[in-house]
Amino acid sequence: KAGVTQTPRYLIKTRGQQVTLSCSPISGHRSVSWYQQTPGQGLQFLFEYFSETQRNKGNFPGRFSGRQFSNSRSEMNVSTLELGDSALYLCASSPSGVTYEQYFGPGTRLTVT
Amino acid sequence: GQQLNQSPQSMFIQEGEDVSMNCTSSSIFNTWLWYKQDPGEGPVLLIALYKAGELTSNGRLTAQFGITRKDSFLNISASIPSDVGIYFCAGPTSGSSNTGKLIFGQGTTLQVKP
Repeated sequence: KAGVTQTPRYLIKTRGQQVTLSCSPISGHRSVSWYQQTPGQGLQFLFEYFSETQRNKGNFPGRFSGRQFSNSRSEMNVSTLELGDSALYLCASSPSGVTYEQYFGPGTRLTVT
Repeated sequence: GQQLNQSPQSMFIQEGEDVSMNCTSSSIFNTWLWYKQDPGEGPVLLIALYKAGELTSNGRLTAQFGITRKDSFLNISASIPSDVGIYFCAGPTSGSSNTGKLIFGQGTTLQVKP
């Protein structure tokens, strides 16, 4: 079974721009969660989508948004980029049902200049 | 809010040695997850624990769910160079029943000297 895929792997953007990151979960997984990883703050939860609905949200500003499509693929968008948004953005998928086991993709490394 | 504290923050050991690390919280957790992250990659799930007192192995790795439900331990036996990486503990936040919201510890960085 193919793992979680994320595109692009690397991205360089300028302050003020917006960016869209994509995630394809493991086949059959319906839950997709997004995390931001930085050296200072570690891994922080952004949001989770299940069956095209946002099921949970972390403490990030409204500039961070996401969505999920009917095939469970997910995208996250960051508008009006700031230097502090430079991070590794990780997507994780989880099977349906009561499980907390999440399987991560390789991440998208975003650099904001 | 809930926090997970991992110790030690980093370890530098000789190949062949056993490794122990732990994760503690002031809150009760119903699930403990252990992940390993290699540079430039996403975390890989190593072991999941669901019951207090549970001891689970995955090859040379053994993890335990503390009986107080406020801690968990990960042991690696006979370390090898490919064990190098950052090890994270994680668990679902309180009130996140059946949702994918995990909090993570700050990680233990393991270096192995051949």
